[in-house]
Amino acid sequence: AQKVTQAQTEISVVEKEDVTLDCVYETRDTTYYLFWYKQPPSGELVFLIRRNSFDEQNEISGRYSWNFQKSTSSFNFTITASQVVDSAVYFCALSEGLTSGTYKYIFGTGTRLKVLA
Amino acid sequence: DAMVIQNPRYQVTQFGKPVTLSCSQTLNHNVMYWYQQKSSQAPKLLFHYYDKDFNNEADTPDNFQSRRPNTSFCFLDIRSPGLGDAAMYLCATSLTGAEQYFGPGTRLTVT
Repeated sequence: AQKVTQAQTEISVVEKEDVTLDCVYETRDTTYYLFWYKQPPSGELVFLIRRNSFDEQNEISGRYSWNFQKSTSSFNFTITASQVVDSAVYFCALSEGLTSGTYKYIFGTGTRLKVLA
Repeated sequence: DAMVIQNPRYQVTQFGKPVTLSCSQTLNHNVMYWYQQKSSQAPKLLFHYYDKDFNNEADTPDNFQSRRPNTSFCFLDIRSPGLGDAAMYLCATSLTGAEQYFGPGTRLTVT
């Protein structure tokens, strides 16, 4: 069955610390997509990154970086020099193909990140 | 800017009183989704439309219905809201591919 595990329920760090959010997935599909979303207290899901299963290159975007390893079925997210504005719930998601021809997301349970000033 | 809009952002309804949540999009995407997110939980897919074709998740209660009168609009109807239906309702769109674009959500309170 498709599954996404975010084992860290809540993480607290002090501002300027680096923090890594873990994501482990299970899928039977050979082609799939992985995502990270940020959900601030306002509730909107903010897209951060999409990674397709054939692209194992790591990616860096400013203070954010992602490490995708198919061998361990992991897609971890690192924030460098964290800031108070990074405080939010972060969701990792896996695409699952539907019989309708499109996809749905399988979400992890989320990691609440608190960055303290 | 092209976007996904949800109205209202906050909705209060009474136990058992029907309520409708609205989603509109300017992205011209052919797939629209409704998710329910309860407090401290992950979003859970209720159903989706692929063009005019409605696709229900197996575990979505009959109390939840949806309408899509045209490409731009999609509605979520809760026929008889219970206290357990209090949640954030998220609408998302997709152009057939895997990436979904989410609206800001409607937070529903049932009194």
